Amino acid sequence: SQQGEEDPQALSIQEGENATMNCSYKTSINNLQWYRQNSGRGLVHLILIRSNEREKHSGRLRVTLDTSKKSSSLLITASRAADTASYFCATQRSGGSNYKLTFGKGTLLTVNP
Amino acid sequence: GAGVSQSPSNKVTEKGKDVELRCDPISGHTALYWYRQSLGQGLEFLIYFQGNSAPDKSGLPSDRFSAERTGGSVSTLTIQRTQQEDSAVYLCASSLHSGVNNQPQHFGDGTRLSIL
Repeated sequence: SQQGEEDPQALSIQEGENATMNCSYKTSINNLQWYRQNSGRGLVHLILIRSNEREKHSGRLRVTLDTSKKSSSLLITASRAADTASYFCATQRSGGSNYKLTFGKGTLLTVNP
Repeated sequence: GAGVSQSPSNKVTEKGKDVELRCDPISGHTALYWYRQSLGQGLEFLIYFQGNSAPDKSGLPSDRFSAERTGGSVSTLTIQRTQQEDSAVYLCASSLHSGVNNQPQHFGDGTRLSIL
């Protein structure tokens, strides 16, 4: 079953703009991860944020985590057409079976040139 | 180094037939996972292998599904007597260790299975 929800379900922006995607989850977690999926391809790991971290950066990506609200956001700055893809958040829960990734439903990002 | 390799990339078969999907994980990765991605259900965990430990099969949707991992490397996912609801993309992933070490999972491009 799905852990939570991403919003928006779809986002269309112009090249150069910033894109923000949000994710909510339900259980206590060890970490939260963001993945990108291009059409017809597998998932590519983007960034992992641990439950004791609040913010993390990687290149043009910025991830925040609020464990009190059980939510995370992914910000992509200065977007490019090549960023067009689906973005999924996934959590690894704390406690038993903590190796499984539980995914949200994803945000489809379209960056228009 | 090569990534996770899955074969076939596409499989079309008739309802009732058996299918076998293959996954070659990244060399040295001890953890291997199968997930299923479908329009209705999104991304779902199916099964997990870690070294020589007993696999976690809790995500397998029915007893028609089985998986094995031989020699701690290659894995095969078998679906017997396929049904139309089995149509989905089957994704394999591997990681250095299990999730307790906060290791990212590396995915293959999947097998797109279509049941006619």
